[in-house]
Amino acid sequence: SQQGEEDPQALSIQEGENATMNCSYKTSINNLQWYRQNSGRGLVHLILIRSNEREKHSGRLRVTLDTSKKSSSLLITASRAADTASYFCACNQAGTALIFGKGTTLSVSS
Amino acid sequence: DTAVSQTPKYLVTQMGNDKSIKCEQNLGHDTMYWYKQDSKKFLKIMFSYNNKELIINETVPNRFSPKSPDKAHLNLHINSLELGDSAVYFCASSQEGDQPQHFGDGTRLSIL
Repeated sequence: SQQGEEDPQALSIQEGENATMNCSYKTSINNLQWYRQNSGRGLVHLILIRSNEREKHSGRLRVTLDTSKKSSSLLITASRAADTASYFCACNQAGTALIFGKGTTLSVSS
Repeated sequence: DTAVSQTPKYLVTQMGNDKSIKCEQNLGHDTMYWYKQDSKKFLKIMFSYNNKELIINETVPNRFSPKSPDKAHLNLHINSLELGDSAVYFCASSQEGDQPQHFGDGTRLSIL
């Protein structure tokens, strides 16, 4: 059964604006991971946040995790055209496979 | 140097044929995976191997058979290809099951 669901499905912004993507999941997790997929390429890991963490940063990326609401968000600040891609959250439970959401397609125009 | 490499990148073939996709990782990871991504970009795990042993086998038709000759390689053989098998197949690897995964660039399979 599907774990993570991203929202919105698609997001269009201008360069320099911030982009926020949300992920909701259904059951308890060990960690939650965010990945980026450029067109025609494989997924690239961005950030892993553990269930006992609330926030993590990596460059222009900020991820939050609220286990009480079973939700996570990915914020990309000062977006660039090169950030145009699909973004996926993936939930990890003990002893099971990583389960991916359907992704948010981000378009950043210059 | 490519960390996870898959061959071929494109595969166009007729219904009923048998085909194989190869995957190799040079990261020294213990765990490898096969995923299927459909036309709506939904990514679903098919198989997972840890040190050459099958640990995850999702509900996949038995026409799909993974083979891991060593922990750096995980190949996927598909018998009697069907139209519904058209998709992008990704290989990935990670050090352990809960760690970040590294993906290949995918094999785009089209069934005529």
